[in-house]
Amino acid sequence: NAGVTQTPKFQVLKTGQSMTLQCAQDMNHEYMSWYRQDPGMGLRLIHYSVGAGITDQGEVPNGYNVSRSTTEDFPLRLLSAAPSQTSVYFCASSSQLAGVYEQYFGPGTRLTVT
Amino acid sequence: AQTVTQSQPEMSVQEAETVTLSCTYDTSESDYYLFWYKQPPSRQMILVIRQEAYKQQNATENRFSVNFQKAAKSFSLKISDSQLGDAAMYFCAYYKPGGSYIPTFGRGTSLIVHP
Repeated sequence: NAGVTQTPKFQVLKTGQSMTLQCAQDMNHEYMSWYRQDPGMGLRLIHYSVGAGITDQGEVPNGYNVSRSTTEDFPLRLLSAAPSQTSVYFCASSSQLAGVYEQYFGPGTRLTVT
Repeated sequence: AQTVTQSQPEMSVQEAETVTLSCTYDTSESDYYLFWYKQPPSRQMILVIRQEAYKQQNATENRFSVNFQKAAKSFSLKISDSQLGDAAMYFCAYYKPGGSYIPTFGRGTSLIVHP
């Protein structure tokens, strides 16, 4: 099992550009989520999904879009990048059905918006 | 909403000594799970230890153990015989199955290990 994979690992964007952060998991987990991590702020939930076709907003959803067309993939779209979106982004998955309550995290994407 | 508080932004310990990281949480539930995650400089988040609230016995994983005080809503992590590789950010998390879909995380404690 590859677990949770994220691409790219690093990205630099100019203000106003858009991009998609990719996330995939091969554990058949029904829950997937996106977090951003900023110094002193811990992990803040952006969006999450409880299954294919179902998504919901987390604590800091503005400026981000998600969709979940398959169990495996959960991409995060930045619509128009802003310097405030400079952060490290983590994707995670878990499964209530399988009793896997802990989060499995991807390796993270460091995004810089100039 | 549940909250998880890690009151120590930073802790330091000498190599080979013992350190305890604090975590408190707020819940009205009786059945839930608590976790400690480690985030080394590589950024990869790793599960260190997991505790089911219905179990009275404190969880242990090698040099890592917890002191789970359910009534006090406290869940501290003890690291014995600290090693340089233990230097990392540590996050405490709370999860209620069947409640919210996603766990609640504390803001983290940065552990520095001095040689």
